[in-house]
Amino acid sequence: DVKVTQSSRYLVKRTGEKVFLECVQDMDHENMFWYRQDPGLGLRLIYFSYDVKMKEKGDIPEGYSVSREKKERFSLILESASTNQTSMYLCASSAPGHNTEAFFGQGTRLTVV
Amino acid sequence: AQKVTQAQTEISVVEKEDVTLDCVYETRDTTYYLFWYKQPPSGELVFLIRRNSFDEQNEISGRYSWNFQKSTSSFNFTITASQVVDSAVYFCALYTGGGNKLTFGTGTQLKVEL
Repeated sequence: DVKVTQSSRYLVKRTGEKVFLECVQDMDHENMFWYRQDPGLGLRLIYFSYDVKMKEKGDIPEGYSVSREKKERFSLILESASTNQTSMYLCASSAPGHNTEAFFGQGTRLTVV
Repeated sequence: AQKVTQAQTEISVVEKEDVTLDCVYETRDTTYYLFWYKQPPSGELVFLIRRNSFDEQNEISGRYSWNFQKSTSSFNFTITASQVVDSAVYFCALYTGGGNKLTFGTGTQLKVEL
């Protein structure tokens, strides 16, 4: 079974903390993505990566950074968490080309207090 | 700019009813791909279908069918004889080479009750 695994299902952090969200895929996919899901707004792309050590900004990169040191792992970093970053975060991976099917993780529900 | 509109925020039906989820898209590209994903309560989005802009043939897979109409820029999804297990949020998405990313609609919450 192909899999995208996110390290935490639920996370509670304090304002100002540095937060790491980890994502691992076992499909040898080149592409990896981080989305944020909010009610009424759907999924919005934060960052994506087409290869190791490579990253591209999505629609809402402010307040976030990413790291991809290995092909299978894509980390989302909140440098200084704020309450408006309380959300569901979804990681996905796909084969080359955005027109291919993306596989999603189960999501991390982050609450910043 | 590309855009996907799912005007139906929430739909409630009784089991065995047919239900259609609407999706309208905007793009200036002539080559593009449309997707539907299902997000059950567990949270993980599941791929349902991909359609490219040159293939307007309707698709049927079991109780699911999709109607792609370029003339109205729509890619609607119908579930026949709905079941409780169909309860989920359904997302329509658009990919274009010009945008180089997948754009999602805001999703439709489908509730199927006994």
